[in-house]
Amino acid sequence: DTGVSQNPRHKITKRGQNVTFRCDPISEHNRLYWYRQTLGQGPEFLTYFQNEAQLEKSRLLSDRFSAERPKGSFSTLEIQRTEQGDSAMYLCASSPSDEQFFGPGTRLTVL
Amino acid sequence: GENVEQHPSTLSVQEGDSAVIKCTYSDSASNYFPWYKQELGKRPQLIIDIRSNVGEKKDQRIAVTLNKTAKHFSLHITETQPEDSAVYFCAAEGGETGGFKTIFGAGTRLFVKA
Repeated sequence: DTGVSQNPRHKITKRGQNVTFRCDPISEHNRLYWYRQTLGQGPEFLTYFQNEAQLEKSRLLSDRFSAERPKGSFSTLEIQRTEQGDSAMYLCASSPSDEQFFGPGTRLTVL
Repeated sequence: GENVEQHPSTLSVQEGDSAVIKCTYSDSASNYFPWYKQELGKRPQLIIDIRSNVGEKKDQRIAVTLNKTAKHFSLHITETQPEDSAVYFCAAEGGETGGFKTIFGAGTRLFVKA
């Protein structure tokens, strides 16, 4: 499968724990995006990378969220001290220019 | 801040009828406007897009129009089929920062009745 992959697909955690998600983009796609999607809503922009540089981060994102793309290939999204409100689907997308190709998402449930 | 509003939230049409979904955006510097289709349990997929220097674009049964002055754009689906049933999202990319930040609308759930 040469599409965008995300791991894990599902994560259940207790409030206060830290979680980390991984995204592997399509090879040679320069841009990589992270979104959060809740039921009945559109993808909410979190941050994006151009190669290894994180160029923008949503103002809605608290300091508990951090993302990295150390070598310009895969990316990780970490949420520290999770809260119940963090429960959502976390989507990753990669893009060579315009079209964004989405991964299957990681569904996070915070108990 | 940046915002994309999408209407209606739900749309039900008879097979063969047309469907129109409308979006407005707030950042006048936005320059790229894609539309994504998301079927139940699947990831969003691009169906059509338009750049700010173009007023209209068509691809078979789907078309998109853009009015930069009014900051709104619309998706038109003609001769709807049951397989068109899905959630459709508009988005606006670009902005004052000159980057590629993408803001999505809340989505329109389209039902096509056979």
